[in-house]
Amino acid sequence: GAVVSQHPSWVICKSGTSVKIECRSLDFQATTMFWYRQFPKQSLMLMATSNEGSKATYEQGVEKDKFLINHASLTLSTLTVTSAHPEDSSFYICSARLGQGNTEAFFGQGTRLTVV
Amino acid sequence: AQKVTQAQTEISVVEKEDVTLDCVYETRDTTYYLFWYKQPPSGELVFLIRRNSFDEQNEISGRYSWNFQKSTSSFNFTITASQVVDSAVYFCALSEPYTGGGNKLTFGTGTQLKVEL
Repeated sequence: GAVVSQHPSWVICKSGTSVKIECRSLDFQATTMFWYRQFPKQSLMLMATSNEGSKATYEQGVEKDKFLINHASLTLSTLTVTSAHPEDSSFYICSARLGQGNTEAFFGQGTRLTVV
Repeated sequence: AQKVTQAQTEISVVEKEDVTLDCVYETRDTTYYLFWYKQPPSGELVFLIRRNSFDEQNEISGRYSWNFQKSTSSFNFTITASQVVDSAVYFCALSEPYTGGGNKLTFGTGTQLKVEL
């Protein structure tokens, strides 16, 4: 199957700093990528949808100025957590779809962010 | 609004037992897709199956089988002869139409499956 690579797999940062997470589709082009957030022992909640060459679409309640998403190419989307705080500590996971429509979504390995 | 309910928070079984994970969904769309994903302790999501709303045939893949019933809006997942390696969190998800050109997934809350020796 298609491979989605997420980097880094884990990161620890200090409060107030920014962290960038990368999501790459390694063997296919993804016009749309999705960013999810998962708190411990909870479900995945969609944060935003990233479209190549255009602005991301954020879900209700997600601060777009805090969670900056850039989808500069068909194989790369980035999520930057700006001015991170301890409450931003979570598991962030991206997914990419092959083509349009209800196709299978391939997920990255996830990034565990800890803000201290 | 889309909703996926996995009422079983945690299930513990002994190896070789069969186990069924329940999934009930709500949607107003006539066309939709249902998914099951496995999330082992390492965190990555492993795709297990995708089923479209027009195909109610049950599917079997090795020790895994899925029962899709539109009449009850359920898409249950059965593992036969469970093994310790099956221990993970299993998520059921519903794909809804999205004007952005793709389709976002609505996930259930997951079922933690523990298979013990």
